[in-house]
Amino acid sequence: DSGVTQTPKHLITATGQRVTLRCSPRSGDLSVYWYQQSLDQGLQFLIQYYNGEERAKGNILERFSAQQFPDLHSELNLSSLELGDSALYFCASSTYTGNTIYFGEGSWLTVV
Amino acid sequence: DQQVKQNSPSLSVQEGRISILNCDYTNSMFDYFLWYKKYPAEGPTFLISISSIKDKNEDGRFTVFLNKSAKHLSLHIVPSQPGDSAVYFCAASEYSGGGADGLTFGKGTHLIIQP
Repeated sequence: DSGVTQTPKHLITATGQRVTLRCSPRSGDLSVYWYQQSLDQGLQFLIQYYNGEERAKGNILERFSAQQFPDLHSELNLSSLELGDSALYFCASSTYTGNTIYFGEGSWLTVV
Repeated sequence: DQQVKQNSPSLSVQEGRISILNCDYTNSMFDYFLWYKKYPAEGPTFLISISSIKDKNEDGRFTVFLNKSAKHLSLHIVPSQPGDSAVYFCAASEYSGGGADGLTFGKGTHLIIQP
């Protein structure tokens, strides 16, 4: 158990809909990261937050957005969903000085 | 453009032998490298890391070697065990001094340990 908690574990929704994925980082970690893993792709970095502020942005679509709240939990919002958005979405966290990130179990999103 | 490449999608090794997983990178600014192990339907688990000031780091059966001039790193597992069967991801980051920026991952190598 990495200490990173993600909900929901599985989600099935229709095209055009909007979903929110939630992540609680490890206790004491200030940085939160979101990654997407599709069937034929590796882990694609989406976005990073540090202590509530956006720190780095990767290959995140404009239809996707994220935020980190004062209690350090984070949410990833996916809107106008398309079939191609079906993937495993991972949240990870790290300390301020740590270079190692720790992953949650992931949220399986299926768009039908 | 892939900055971290794992050119072998899969690797099959006999139990008890050495497993060698390779990773190449193109970004000369990378100075911290990690290996993660992932079982199906689980999140990646941190395995071992190495800073660019070192060329070797060892942790039990796992050793990571870094060749900066060749921009190449490898993970050695000795001896290989059935529980090592998993997908292994190589990752790299530019250490900014303020924690890990988004790591860049390779696409992974599926290691299969044959009995």
